[in-house]
Amino acid sequence: LAKTTQPISMDSYEGQEVNITCSHNNIATNDYITWYQQFPSQGPRFIIQGYKTKVTNEVASLFIPADRKSSTLSLPRVSLSDTAVYYCLVGDHLNTNAGKSTFGDGTTLTVKP
Amino acid sequence: GAVVSQHPSRVICKSGTSVKIECRSLDFQATTMFWYRQFPKQSLMLMATSNEGSKATYEQGVEKDKFLINHASLTLSTLTVTSAHPEDSSFYICSAQPGLAGGPVTGELFFGEGSRLTVL
Repeated sequence: LAKTTQPISMDSYEGQEVNITCSHNNIATNDYITWYQQFPSQGPRFIIQGYKTKVTNEVASLFIPADRKSSTLSLPRVSLSDTAVYYCLVGDHLNTNAGKSTFGDGTTLTVKP
Repeated sequence: GAVVSQHPSRVICKSGTSVKIECRSLDFQATTMFWYRQFPKQSLMLMATSNEGSKATYEQGVEKDKFLINHASLTLSTLTVTSAHPEDSSFYICSAQPGLAGGPVTGELFFGEGSRLTVL
């Protein structure tokens, strides 16, 4: 299972774009990259998933370079309610149980007014 | 999207008693569910994989006789913390992945709301 490394914490202000990078140097060919958001005392919630290049949905974008050894979660125009812990998971999620993926330390994002 | 529900959300018990936590997939079947434990300011730690109709698979260091898991149906897994002690106090979370019991696999995990256990 691929090990992931993320910054422990990040600070931002309302209305700014936030980019959180995750390193996964030993990502395997069949591995996908999935990001989750967790608020205090709640279970994590799916944000976005990708395999290569760029993926965008209504809440975020995910940028994956050609070598796939890292990925960047981009949150446009954050608000106070985006203050949470963000985890990136890497694994063969479409063919095996995604729940076996290891949760790294995550990135605690604090959005200030 | 798919929904996974946990119950109870909070439980306080006396040391030495047993506590059962339920995890239900409300709108999909889940042959496999996962149980995690999360201590304050820490990440989720996978405890075990719950398999419908068969024994759970426990991660290294997790006592199977302490944390009993039963997955009797395709929509329900239970975690029983037996003879609970204060050090078992934690936030317990379950998850499931739609599609593994049939249908398209999206690779997305759905998590329950979590259950906070406090052992006095």
